[in-house]
Amino acid sequence: QKEVEQDPGPLSVPEGAIVSLNCTYSNSAFQYFMWYRQYSRKGPELLMYTYSSGNKEDGRFTAQVDKSSKYISLFIRDSQPSDSATYLCAMRNNAGNNRKLIWGLGTSLAVNP
Amino acid sequence: GAGVSQSPSNKVTEKGKDVELRCDPISGHTALYWYRQSLGQGLEFLIYFQGNSAPDKSGLPSDRFSAERTGGSVSTLTIQRTQQEDSAVYLCASSSARGVNEQFFGPGTRLTVL
Repeated sequence: QKEVEQDPGPLSVPEGAIVSLNCTYSNSAFQYFMWYRQYSRKGPELLMYTYSSGNKEDGRFTAQVDKSSKYISLFIRDSQPSDSATYLCAMRNNAGNNRKLIWGLGTSLAVNP
Repeated sequence: GAGVSQSPSNKVTEKGKDVELRCDPISGHTALYWYRQSLGQGLEFLIYFQGNSAPDKSGLPSDRFSAERTGGSVSTLTIQRTQQEDSAVYLCASSSARGVNEQFFGPGTRLTVL
C-alpha cells in the first residue's frame, strides 16, 4: 500500500462546475500538506499548502485537511478550461531536517467549455 | 527572473550507455531536489542537496545513479549503464533554505532508454 493514495481519474467536468480532488494517507506523522498543479510537459507548480488540520482558501481554491481521517481535499470553484491539468497532492513530516515530499499519483482534470 | 532550467529536454540512449542530466536552479536557492516521474509511479524523490552536500540521497534507486552539485548551483544527475526501466521524466526543483514546501520545478528531461 502506498503512503499516499490519489485517484488518477481522469475527471471531466463542465466549465463552472465545482471540482473536488482528494488524497488519503497512512502516515499519521505527516504535518505539511501541499497541492501542486502540473500542465502537460511542464513541471509541477505549487498551488497552496496547509500545516496540520483545517482549511485554507486562495481565490477559487480551498484546501482542507482532516488529520483524524487522514484525508485531504482540494476544491476548485467556478472551474475554468485553464484549470485543465494534473493535480498532485504531496505531504511530509516535520521530523528533524526532513525535506522529502511524498506524492500522490495525481488526478487528471479536464474542464470542458 | 529565470526559473529552473534543465538540459537536455529529451534524451534517447541505448541500454548500457551512461547519461548526464543537468539542472540550473533559481539563483539564490540553496536547496535542490531531483525527482523521477513515470506513468503509474508518480513523483519519486531521488536526492536532496543543501548547498553542495546531499543530506538525503535515500531515493537513489541503485548505485548506477549518482548526483553532484558544485558551487551551490548547478547539479548533474548521472545514470551509468542505463536500463530500460530508467526511462522516465527526471525533474529538478529548487527552493529557498526554508521553503521546502514551495519547490520550483524545471520542465524536466524526458529520458528514453532503448
